[in-house]
Amino acid sequence: SQQGEEDPQALSIQEGENATMNCSYKTSINNLQWYRQNSGRGLVHLILIRSNEREKHSGRLRVTLDTSKKSSSLLITASRAADTASYFCATEIFNAGNNRKLIWGLGTSLAVNP
Amino acid sequence: EPEVTQTPSHQVTQMGQEVILRCVPISNHLYFYWYRQILGQKVEFLVSFYNNEISEKSEIFDDQFSVERPDGSNFTLKIRSTKLEDSAMYFCASSLSGRGSGELFFGEGSRLTVL
Repeated sequence: SQQGEEDPQALSIQEGENATMNCSYKTSINNLQWYRQNSGRGLVHLILIRSNEREKHSGRLRVTLDTSKKSSSLLITASRAADTASYFCATEIFNAGNNRKLIWGLGTSLAVNP
Repeated sequence: EPEVTQTPSHQVTQMGQEVILRCVPISNHLYFYWYRQILGQKVEFLVSFYNNEISEKSEIFDDQFSVERPDGSNFTLKIRSTKLEDSAMYFCASSLSGRGSGELFFGEGSRLTVL
């Protein structure tokens, strides 16, 4: 698999349930970021977790990072219909030069049914 | 809240035509990027730009592509002679800080359709 692979590809849950999405990557990273994209819309940054961090929270979002397994998970608790979107992980890799290059996965399409 | 704005939201063009996609990054940001997303595929890095020059570009960013910051506020992506495979959503992003810190702010994207 390539850098930044999410699973599952699609997830359908009921409102109020928790949604867990996973991301795996191959190379050492500087940080890993999760983004959300509503259909046909832009990419919205959700959370950034650095390689020396293991867990991070933001509202109903919880992100974990296991650098030994090269994997991350995004947990959305108490999901709402408005959480319906595609969720992407993007890794930032150590790179020469002062720039920001993100490598993206294909995303998980989340449907939250009312 | 400051945001990155992109125009046009959708452009349809004929193969071989030149296209310019425009972006207004967040005003105090110093680093600028273009990414693209072909329908159903991954978001792909195209180019990063800092201090009025390209910092890095991908293999996709060939001689047909160019970027410019003409006036201190706009950041443009030009495709000189469009091909069918250039059809994609193009996202502009900006960040305040460089490598490894802070978040990238993305615009809503410009959908390019090449016929």
